[in-house]
Amino acid sequence: EAGVAQSPRYKIIEKRQSVAFWCNPISGHATLYWYQQILGQGPKLLIQFQNNGVVDDSQLPKDRFSAERLKGVDSTLKIQPAKLEDSAVYLCASSFHRVGRTGELFFGEGSRLTVL
Amino acid sequence: DQQVKQNSPSLSVQEGRISILNCDYTNSMFDYFLWYKKYPAEGPTFLISISSIKDKNEDGRFTVFLNKSAKHLSLHIVPSQPGDSAVYFCAASPIQGAQKLVFGQGTRLTINP
Repeated sequence: EAGVAQSPRYKIIEKRQSVAFWCNPISGHATLYWYQQILGQGPKLLIQFQNNGVVDDSQLPKDRFSAERLKGVDSTLKIQPAKLEDSAVYLCASSFHRVGRTGELFFGEGSRLTVL
Repeated sequence: DQQVKQNSPSLSVQEGRISILNCDYTNSMFDYFLWYKKYPAEGPTFLISISSIKDKNEDGRFTVFLNKSAKHLSLHIVPSQPGDSAVYFCAASPIQGAQKLVFGQGTRLTINP
């Protein structure tokens, strides 16, 4: 079974530029998550989708971050304009279980962003 | 507000001995707990979980213990092997409502030959 796919693996940009990350979850997984992991910290949830609807985006900095999951499969996370503090690894995860049910999350390898 | 805390940033253990990683949480609504393992340049991978109705869950060399009254859980690895060297994250989730995980800061485990 193919895992969660993310691209690009690495991205270096200057502050105030924009960047987009792509995620393809495991086939059949209804729930998709974007996490931000800053060096030395644990992953922090940015946004959670159930199919193509947003379940939780309370920690997404909406003035600069946006995310969508068209057709309930692939997802993109965009940052515009980027700040130095956005340097982090952006992890996409998916889960078979639906909202309200527990289950493990499967993570992709992450997209490492460096903002200069 | 750090709801899930791993107070040891790093731990070094001799191969063959027991590794004990600790995690504390503050939110009494957390009802389901997981441990994830992360190698460099890879995403976290699920290791073991426990729900609040249990106080112990075992899977091979890995055992997770939950002390609800102390809001504390621990991961025991025995015997420790060099391949266990990784960063371990504790995570917690409320069983009600949106299923989202809150992660601790991680503990880097190094197994010495």
